Amino acid sequence: AQTVTQSQPEMSVQEAETVTLSCTYDTSESDYYLFWYKQPPSRQMILVIRQEAYKQQNATENRFSVNFQKAAKSFSLKISDSQLGDAAMYFCAYRSALADTGNQFYFGTGTSLTVIP
Amino acid sequence: GAVVSQHPSWVICKSGTSVKIECRSLDFQATTMFWYRQFPKQSLMLMATSNEGSKATYEQGVEKDKFLINHASLTLSTLTVTSAHPEDSSFYICSATPWRRETQYFGPGTRLLVL
Repeated sequence: AQTVTQSQPEMSVQEAETVTLSCTYDTSESDYYLFWYKQPPSRQMILVIRQEAYKQQNATENRFSVNFQKAAKSFSLKISDSQLGDAAMYFCAYRSALADTGNQFYFGTGTSLTVIP
Repeated sequence: GAVVSQHPSWVICKSGTSVKIECRSLDFQATTMFWYRQFPKQSLMLMATSNEGSKATYEQGVEKDKFLINHASLTLSTLTVTSAHPEDSSFYICSATPWRRETQYFGPGTRLLVL
């Protein structure tokens, strides 16, 4: 099974500043999808951003962007102009693109982000 | 779009009773639905994967007879916790994947407390 590692259990950022959350994964597959989900105190999982492994261009969604390094198997999330509402647990997830390997997600252990006013 | 609802959001029950949790995709057809369990400050633990019209696939260590999953239609999956015990108390989350899509969309979760 694939493994996803988030080495930062907790991070903090000053409001309006930029923070980067790390994620690495282990796979022998060449085609897959990567995701970042946010889980605020309400515990609703919210999709932040997704990346297809075959695309070299890094995905961007407003203040959220990723640095996808396929060779290094790294998928970090950058949050620019941090806002109080960004405070949450962030999970990195991997999904194979192969039809015969199932479509389950492999989640990291999460990074708890605190935004300091 | 891609909204998933879950009902109930909170349930308290007595030990030995059964509890049913519903997961609905409101604006899309979900060929696959997933059920997760999450303990405080931990990641999501996949319990089972269900495809419409077929039996669910359970993860290792998850009791099939205790956690009954029924994916009756393309918009509804249910999880029934049978003969619930205090150790079953947890936060249960469902997710759904639209046909030919790779993203999972999550419900708001159900907090189960077994007394």
